[in-house]
Amino acid sequence: EPEVTQTPSHQVTQMGQEVILRCVPISNHLYFYWYRQILGQKVEFLVSFYNNEISEKSEIFDDQFSVERPDGSNFTLKIRSTKLEDSAMYFCASSFIQSTYGYTFGSGTRLTVV
Amino acid sequence: GESVGLHLPTLSVQEGDNSIINCAYSNSASDYFIWYKQESGKGPQFIIDIRSNMDKRQGQRVTVLLNKTVKHLSLQIAATQPGDSAVYFCAENTPEGKLIFGQGTELSVKP
Repeated sequence: EPEVTQTPSHQVTQMGQEVILRCVPISNHLYFYWYRQILGQKVEFLVSFYNNEISEKSEIFDDQFSVERPDGSNFTLKIRSTKLEDSAMYFCASSFIQSTYGYTFGSGTRLTVV
Repeated sequence: GESVGLHLPTLSVQEGDNSIINCAYSNSASDYFIWYKQESGKGPQFIIDIRSNMDKRQGQRVTVLLNKTVKHLSLQIAATQPGDSAVYFCAENTPEGKLIFGQGTELSVKP
């Protein structure tokens, strides 16, 4: 069964440093998403991406965040200057159509900011 | 504002019993709901969905019930197994394709 792959599985970074979280969506999917989950809390939407541009973003997704699809397979989330409160699990997801039916989540990257 | 929330944070059941996990939503315009299972260290995994023109939908060992009058969803798991132990989230799908998740219920199955 096709999978969404995320790397690394765990990233530890110093406060103020830049991090890039990487995702390889399912190959024929067209819509890409990032979600985050602070420990013990619910999963929260960050951003959706289609046709090489952001479709929608939440208020969490401020100027410190950016997304990119640098080639035909990767989808990245960059946090420019990490804060302690950015510590969370970050999930990438992809779908073929603009619907959560057929939405596939990756296993996540645990980001720890120290 | 819109929100999706769960009634109980934890649920403990005996193996073989049926489990019922509840969810309330506040946006009466919501028309599509999904239940996800999240195991430790993994991403949310689709279990079952339901559209607002339905009251009930059945899958393999799982049933989702939708009561639009009181804006309530439930997930029923028949003959609960140890492998069902996980956190279960309900989520509301928006027309833009993003998910609004509820808080989550941790299901613990005792052998």
